[in-house]
Amino acid sequence: GENVEQHPSTLSVQEGDSAVIKCTYSDSASNYFPWYKQELGKRPQLIIDIRSNVGEKKDQRIAVTLNKTAKHFSLHITETQPEDSAVYFCAASNLNTGNQFYFGTGTSLTVIP
Amino acid sequence: GAVVSQHPSWVICKSGTSVKIECRSLDFQATTMFWYRQFPKQSLMLMATSNEGSKATYEQGVEKDKFLINHASLTLSTLTVTSAHPEDSSFYICSAERGRAGELFFGEGSRLTVL
Repeated sequence: GENVEQHPSTLSVQEGDSAVIKCTYSDSASNYFPWYKQELGKRPQLIIDIRSNVGEKKDQRIAVTLNKTAKHFSLHITETQPEDSAVYFCAASNLNTGNQFYFGTGTSLTVIP
Repeated sequence: GAVVSQHPSWVICKSGTSVKIECRSLDFQATTMFWYRQFPKQSLMLMATSNEGSKATYEQGVEKDKFLINHASLTLSTLTVTSAHPEDSSFYICSAERGRAGELFFGEGSRLTVL
């Protein structure tokens, strides 16, 4: 099955700085890579996603890059704000076989005011 | 947006009892739902795929007799933790597939504490 690794597990940045979180996946058939933000005790919220036919996607301060050859993808948050503090999870899925999402281990991001 | 609701949000039970958690898609039909388990400060682990009108598909290592899943209608899937023990204490989250590939909506989660 798919194995998704995520680094770092914790990340602290000063407000206004950028944050980068990286994930690798094992199954070359995976073709969909969403990123979720989860606040303590709440449901995960989709913040951005990318499909395997695209190398980069941007939405305001958030961007995701995908390197299919190396099987890794990254989340980039620029101009971080305290409200960005949360746990972020990457996931990988092969949408050709279903919507089973396999999640990374999570990154706890703290933005210091 | 689409809404997925779980009930109960928090349940405490005695060891040896069974607990049922419901996952409902409130404004769309979901032929497929998914159940995850999340330990404190850890990732969401996919437990099983719940298919309306048929048996659930369990991930490797998940005991199907321990975690009973029923998806009797297009808007409801239930997870029953049978003969619960303290090690079953966890945060259980469901998600529902709305139709388009990759379009998943998550419930708010159910926290189970087994004494």
